[in-house]
Amino acid sequence: KNEVEQSPQNLTAQEGEFITINCSYSVGISALHWLQQHPGGGIVSLFMLSSGKKKHGRLIATINIQEKHSSLHITASHPRDSAVYICAVTGNQFYFGTGTSLTVIP
Amino acid sequence: GAVVSQHPSWVICKSGTSVKIECRSLDFQATTMFWYRQFPKQSLMLMATSNEGSKATYEQGVEKDKFLINHASLTLSTLTVTSAHPEDSSFYICSASPRGATWETQYFGPGTRLLVL
Repeated sequence: KNEVEQSPQNLTAQEGEFITINCSYSVGISALHWLQQHPGGGIVSLFMLSSGKKKHGRLIATINIQEKHSSLHITASHPRDSAVYICAVTGNQFYFGTGTSLTVIP
Repeated sequence: GAVVSQHPSWVICKSGTSVKIECRSLDFQATTMFWYRQFPKQSLMLMATSNEGSKATYEQGVEKDKFLINHASLTLSTLTVTSAHPEDSSFYICSASPRGATWETQYFGPGTRLLVL
């Protein structure tokens, strides 16, 4: 069993739709990260959070420490949001989810 | 700010040759740099952690003589894949943690795609 599970694995949405990607973890953590990996491979760190909620533009990340669950929301999705979104947690080491592949269709 | 570069972005080499990949923090000093490997449609796998001026710490199952890591300065770490074989073909990503930040704060490089023929 992976320490970090993401759902869904693949997601296709119409432009403008509200998108939610979920992440559940089974280890004790000090922080949770949401990363974005574009088709070329480069990774961008979107959020690092340890409690509550963070917002950056159209992206919102929430975490519930008691339930060991985090969600990444994208409002008013756009084709340029198409990428793989990776959830990672840091406890005594980094644990990565296998990613959610998002395709936003115009 | 907080830009990490990798060079080369892709490399094709013959089996048996060695390949060096550079990871640079362009606008900050990185006390710690991390090297990851990613297979197609899989997540990142941490290979090793390198601290400036000291030997790298390798994850279990990663051959340190195969993947040589040198973190010679606060802005540069190198990964050398020695005597590369086709099974070493992969996407290699580095990340850097700024001086003064906790290790959870990492900025990722764009990755290097290695193909060994």
